[in-house]
Amino acid sequence: DVQMTQSPSSLSAAVGDGVTITCRAGQTISRYLNWYQQKPGQAPKLLISGASTLQSGVPTRFSGTGSGTEFSLTISSLQPEDIATYYCQQSYSTSWTFGPGTKVEIK
Amino acid sequence: QLVQSGTEMKKPGESLRISCQGSGYNFTTYWIAWVRQMPGKGLEWMGRIDPSESYVNYSPSFQGHVTISIDKSIRTAYLQWSSLKASDTAMYFCARQSATQASLWGQGTLVSVSS
Repeated sequence: DVQMTQSPSSLSAAVGDGVTITCRAGQTISRYLNWYQQKPGQAPKLLISGASTLQSGVPTRFSGTGSGTEFSLTISSLQPEDIATYYCQQSYSTSWTFGPGTKVEIK
Repeated sequence: QLVQSGTEMKKPGESLRISCQGSGYNFTTYWIAWVRQMPGKGLEWMGRIDPSESYVNYSPSFQGHVTISIDKSIRTAYLQWSSLKASDTAMYFCARQSATQASLWGQGTLVSVSS
């Protein structure tokens, strides 16, 4: 399996702050990296595919960058509705793997 | 959409099959994946099935512990256990999977295993 790590495991920021989550893959995965948002009690929602392609309907304050083994998800101006856990996920190998998640809270 | 079967309360050693029915898209175009989320924990990809060929890929972590199957005539995928353990207690999601992303998710099925 391709191992995925994320940092930080949790963060707290004020409304309007910019926040960045980092995801690292245990081997190169090109740009086969997706980001999901999961709010409490809900199914995950695909935010970004292919490392940087924003899904339809996702606010433009979300952005993704990276390739190879290092990736990041940035929320440019944190909003109350962004409270959630964010997961990266690689689709490079046949067996997909998720990162452990980053819990985002409002300060 | 993907609609999953309801909450299950089972005892250790019992068998179980949960389901995921797709609608509103060409069912054989996308794989169906299963994802586990244990209480308070993260997402774990369990495996996927190709509805057109019924070919299955399992995560090494789940190979031999669960069976993924499909009945494309009724647009339904299944996840089953032959002998449940308490450690199988979790929320299970199905997801419509393309080659590179899981863009549509079911609402989740809660499985609780307790004596």
